[in-house]
Amino acid sequence: DIQMTQSPSSLSASVGDRVTITCRASQSITRTLNWYQQRPGKAPQLLIYAASSLESGVPSRFSGSGSGTDFTLTISSLQPEDFATYYCQHSADTPYTFGQGTKLEMK
Amino acid sequence: EVQLVQSGAEVKKPGESLKISCKGSGYTFTSYWIAWVRQMPGKGLEWMGIIYPGNSDTRYSPSFQGQVTISADKSVNTAYLQWSSLRASDTAMYYCARRDNNWYASDKWGRGTLVTVSS
Repeated sequence: DIQMTQSPSSLSASVGDRVTITCRASQSITRTLNWYQQRPGKAPQLLIYAASSLESGVPSRFSGSGSGTDFTLTISSLQPEDFATYYCQHSADTPYTFGQGTKLEMK
Repeated sequence: EVQLVQSGAEVKKPGESLKISCKGSGYTFTSYWIAWVRQMPGKGLEWMGIIYPGNSDTRYSPSFQGQVTISADKSVNTAYLQWSSLRASDTAMYYCARRDNNWYASDKWGRGTLVTVSS
């Protein structure tokens, strides 16, 4: 199975900051990498698919990049509603494992 | 509007059986895979398995193979997750999610079903 490792596990930042979260796959997954946001008490929501494609309705301050084994999620200017937990997930082959999550907290 | 509506919260005792559901609407249910995802209290997301309701083709994560059964009834546009004998460690929120057909991301999610197993 392909393992996904996110870093950092937690991150403190302020409104307006630029933040980057990284995700590494244990083997090449080409561009089959997705990013999700989960707010407390809510279901996850798709942000980015295919490494860099923005899901419909997601603000343009979110962006993704990478291919192969190394990927990043960037939020260009943090908004109050962005403080949440973020997960990467590969979809190269089943099982479609998730990273352990990155909790983004307000500084 | 695409919707996945999950069944309500359950409280069960260890050793009991359980079947929870996920009903799809607003799209062709038989044309999209449905995945199940576990989230234990305060923990991350764990991918459990996936089913194609069109022909009931099913894939499991090795971590969940033999522990749960995923099924679907296309006549009522519903996918199921079931346990034959619950354990306290099955206490978690369970989400169903639709897999898109192009890049295989989970593009629509149910609100989750909270399963509590306690004696």
